[in-house]
Amino acid sequence: GAGVSQSPSNKVTEKGKDVELRCDPISGHTALYWYRQSLGQGLEFLIYFQGNSAPDKSGLPSDRFSAERTGGSVSTLTIQRTQQEDSAVYLCASSLQRTGELFFGEGSRLTVL
Amino acid sequence: TQLLEQSPQFLSIQEGENLTVYCNSSSVFSSLQWYRQEPGEGPVLLVTVVTGGEVKKLKRLTFQFGDARKDSSLHITAAQPGDTGLYLCAGVTMDSGYALNFGKGTSLLVTP
Repeated sequence: GAGVSQSPSNKVTEKGKDVELRCDPISGHTALYWYRQSLGQGLEFLIYFQGNSAPDKSGLPSDRFSAERTGGSVSTLTIQRTQQEDSAVYLCASSLQRTGELFFGEGSRLTVL
Repeated sequence: TQLLEQSPQFLSIQEGENLTVYCNSSSVFSSLQWYRQEPGEGPVLLVTVVTGGEVKKLKRLTFQFGDARKDSSLHITAAQPGDTGLYLCAGVTMDSGYALNFGKGTSLLVTP
């Protein structure tokens, strides 16, 4: 597709389980961001990728969160031992350059019971 | 600490009214972007401002970047129900590293 694709669109899991969220950016976009959005709130920055490297991981809230990007394309955000406070919409965005226009996916809504 | 402060947080108006929302920071931005987000979707870019004092217009929307590049405003003339959504400002500063930081947004509801 032409846009940013995220999967799953919805994920319900039990506390303590691990989850993986996938982002397929726009082809050719070297910059990739992950954000978290709680209900009615703004976007909380998690991590930024330039190509396959992550020069800024400062937003990851704990060591239960990790992300990788392979082939300069698909990225996976992994949350281990999920907690109820991890419930949110996780948004991925890609861009031609770091400060350029961000193109967002529709997000993955995570609910931790 | 929130790098970008947006106000008001919520705004409910009737069709045809004018409104202004604000985005403020104590830091200087190299550039600032405004996005609109509708329920169940990701944010979509409306405009990017770069130069202090810059004014950009997008149909009934007018965006202004402060002279000192620390603040911005979005003015909507004759609001329509289709303007309903969450308006987010985002910017990069010397302090923000690589991150494009977002404000918490202004949630706008325009009723017929």
